[in-house]
Amino acid sequence: EIVLTQSPATLSLSPGERATLSCRASQSVGSYLGWYQQKPGQAPRLLIYDASNRATGIPARFSGSGSGTDFTLTISSLEPEDFAVYYCQQRSNWPLTFGGGTKVEIK
Amino acid sequence: EVQLLESGGGFVQPGGSLRLSCAASGFIFHNHAMNWVRQAPGKGLEWVSTITGGGGSIYYADSVRGRFTISRDNSKNTLFLQMNSLRGEDTAVYYCAKSLTTTSNWLDPWGQGTLVIVSS
Repeated sequence: EIVLTQSPATLSLSPGERATLSCRASQSVGSYLGWYQQKPGQAPRLLIYDASNRATGIPARFSGSGSGTDFTLTISSLEPEDFAVYYCQQRSNWPLTFGGGTKVEIK
Repeated sequence: EVQLLESGGGFVQPGGSLRLSCAASGFIFHNHAMNWVRQAPGKGLEWVSTITGGGGSIYYADSVRGRFTISRDNSKNTLFLQMNSLRGEDTAVYYCAKSLTTTSNWLDPWGQGTLVIVSS
């Protein structure tokens, strides 16, 4: 099973700041890495797939990069609605696995 | 607009059974793999199971294999999860999610979820 490790666990930032979230895989997943956003009481929403492709309707301030084992989700300038928990997921191998999440909270 | 509506959750004793359903609309159901993902209270996401569009391939997490059965009725655009021998650790919100494309397992969108509580 591919283990995804996200860091940091919590990121405390102010609106307008840049957020950089990391996801590291225990073995190469190529570019088969995605990112989801989950707000309290809501279902997750796909943000990024195949490492760097934005899903439909996702604002350009969200970007993904990386390949192999190291991946980054960047939010260029945090909006109030971006404070949430973010999960990475790999689809390179079964079972599909998720990282433990990074909470982006208001500083 | 794609819509996924889960139902069937509830309170069940350990060792009991539940059947979850996910009614889908707004897309060509049989063209897409479908998935179940769960989230225990206050915890992260855990993939549970995937079934391909025609139902010919099925995958399970080790934690549920042999106890849970995923299935689909393409004539009714409905996904199911039969859960048997339930345990306390199965307590979670269960989400159904559509695979983004016919060939990829990116989960988009997700339903609103249905809560399963396993307790005596």
